[in-house]
Amino acid sequence: EVQLVETGGGLIQPGGSLRLSCAASGFTVSSNYMSWVRQAPGKGLEWVSVIYSGGSTYYADSVKGRFTISRDNSKNTLYLQMNSLRAEDTAVYYCARAYYDILTGAYYFDYWGQGTLVTVSS
Amino acid sequence: EIVMTQSPATLSVSPGERATLSCRASQSVSSNLAWYQQKPGQAPRLLIYGASTRATGIPARFSGSGSGTEFTLTISSLQSEDFAVYYCQQYNNWPQTFGQGTRLEIK
Repeated sequence: EVQLVETGGGLIQPGGSLRLSCAASGFTVSSNYMSWVRQAPGKGLEWVSVIYSGGSTYYADSVKGRFTISRDNSKNTLYLQMNSLRAEDTAVYYCARAYYDILTGAYYFDYWGQGTLVTVSS
Repeated sequence: EIVMTQSPATLSVSPGERATLSCRASQSVSSNLAWYQQKPGQAPRLLIYGASTRATGIPARFSGSGSGTEFTLTISSLQSEDFAVYYCQQYNNWPQTFGQGTRLEIK
């Protein structure tokens, strides 16, 4: 059974740093595309970052230069290092597996974790 | 960046009736369109991918259609557990983008 469990959220002051973790089971993180998606309170979903199986990484413009996605293959875990946090980064952060659509050659999110709340406030 | 627009923002339907939700893309996304259901305090749940393919375990009352820029999610006979927020998402291009959501509420 596929499971994703995020941890690491909390209350942090503006300008601070936080690292989120996403422990996966039932599949191998390094063999898949993995993403972070966030949802501000009462708002919609916003894609944040992706790491390809080959290791390439990409970011939304809103977090580029401040956030870093990575993985630890030995722990089968995905990470999001968040630096220079701003109030507008306040959100529930979800990790999600991006699954390959064999018919179209593109990737959609088939499994999501339960999310971890990050609150940036003084 | 592709902008996804959902309509209506809120839809009020009685249990047992049909609900039709719309999603429009600012440019063609081919069939790379997914629908998710989200209930309060829960993660999004994949319903439909490839515009019309139901994900594993999704009841047959959920169906998706469309291609290019216009898409529809239809729930044929609403059950109490279907009242939630629904998001469409294009995965044709990075950054993948979501619609703002349609809240499906009990009439």
